[in-house]
Amino acid sequence: NAGVTQTPKFQVLKTGQSMTLQCAQDMNHNSMYWYRQDPGMGLRLIYYSASEGTTDKGEVPNGYNVSRLNKREFSLRLESAAPSQTSVYFCASSVRGAPVNEKLFFGSGTQLSVL
Amino acid sequence: GENVEQHPSTLSVQEGDSAVIKCTYSDSASNYFPWYKQELGKRPQLIIDIRSNVGEKKDQRIAVTLNKTAKHFSLHITETQPEDSAVYFCAASNTGTASKLTFGTGTRLQVTL
Repeated sequence: NAGVTQTPKFQVLKTGQSMTLQCAQDMNHNSMYWYRQDPGMGLRLIYYSASEGTTDKGEVPNGYNVSRLNKREFSLRLESAAPSQTSVYFCASSVRGAPVNEKLFFGSGTQLSVL
Repeated sequence: GENVEQHPSTLSVQEGDSAVIKCTYSDSASNYFPWYKQELGKRPQLIIDIRSNVGEKKDQRIAVTLNKTAKHFSLHITETQPEDSAVYFCAASNTGTASKLTFGTGTRLQVTL
């Protein structure tokens, strides 16, 4: 099992450019998440998908859109990148609903720089 | 919304000593409190979690305590080892699940020889 795979690992954009971060999990998890990590600010939830076909805003959704393509895949799109979106982005998944297992499984991260 | 404060931001201990990291939360409805460890350049990984119906939980050298009245919870690491050096994040959720977790800002733990 590969776990949670996200691409690309690194990306440099110019202000105003668009891009999509891809995420896929092979653990048959119901829930998937996108977080951003900034120095001194911990992990902040951008969007999450509790199950296939549903998405909800997290703490910092402005400037982002998401698509839960199927149970395996959850993509994050920046329509018009801004320097404030320079960050490390993590995709994660969890089983959801299991009372004894709420572990988040994270991808390896995407380091995004917007110039 | 939930606010989670974490202290200290950096912590240096000698190998073999204990380390304690503290977090406070604002939402009295929060009922799930995980701790994640992130080694340099790596992804966060769950090390322990606790629910609001439990006051303390242990797993080998790691323990977490929860005080619902005071709305704070703490991570205790005993007999620290160099491999414990990492950034530790606390988090809280009022859903009882990993959805809508609010994370603290992290504690960088350095274990020196």
